[in-house]
Amino acid sequence: DVKVTQSSRYLVKRTGEKVFLECVQDMDHENMFWYRQDPGLGLRLIYFSYDVKMKEKGDIPEGYSVSREKKERFSLILESASTNQTSMYLCASSVRVQETQYFGPGTRLLVL
Amino acid sequence: SQQGEEDPQALSIQEGENATMNCSYKTSINNLQWYRQNSGRGLVHLILIRSNEREKHSGRLRVTLDTSKKSSSLLITASRAADTASYFCATEYFGANSKLTFGKGITLSVRP
Repeated sequence: DVKVTQSSRYLVKRTGEKVFLECVQDMDHENMFWYRQDPGLGLRLIYFSYDVKMKEKGDIPEGYSVSREKKERFSLILESASTNQTSMYLCASSVRVQETQYFGPGTRLLVL
Repeated sequence: SQQGEEDPQALSIQEGENATMNCSYKTSINNLQWYRQNSGRGLVHLILIRSNEREKHSGRLRVTLDTSKKSSSLLITASRAADTASYFCATEYFGANSKLTFGKGITLSVRP
């Protein structure tokens, strides 16, 4: 079974802090994704990566950056956390971008 | 937005009944997928149906796709309390850089 893990289930940070969310997948998938999920808005794509060191902006990249130094690991970085970044963050991976995505359990981030 | 739109937003049924959820979309797609999310968790892939397919089955799940109406239905037969979750449709549009776009989800509650 594909396993996608995220570094934290819950995270509390202060405004202005730099925040790292880590995601690791164990199935050698080429593609990895970061979404945020907010009530009434569904899932929105922040960034995705189709190969090591490659990244593409999703629908809402502002305020975020990403890093993919190794195939299995995809990091989401909030350079200076703000309260409007309080959300559930979901990581996913897939063999091909348009095919089945496998999701991690999510990180619920609260920015105070 | 090119999100698929699920209908209804919320559905409450008795255990043993069938649950039907609908998804409509706006432009031509390559495939449509349904996912389930249990409360506070990541999404789990249920089924993928391609644009040249009309119906697919997986256990108690039946998915139909009507490309002329730009709509899909997910039917869960003989529902169980464990089916209580949010259900999302996700579409891959032609020319959309092959990313998946998720709807806002349907909350299904199955009463024991």
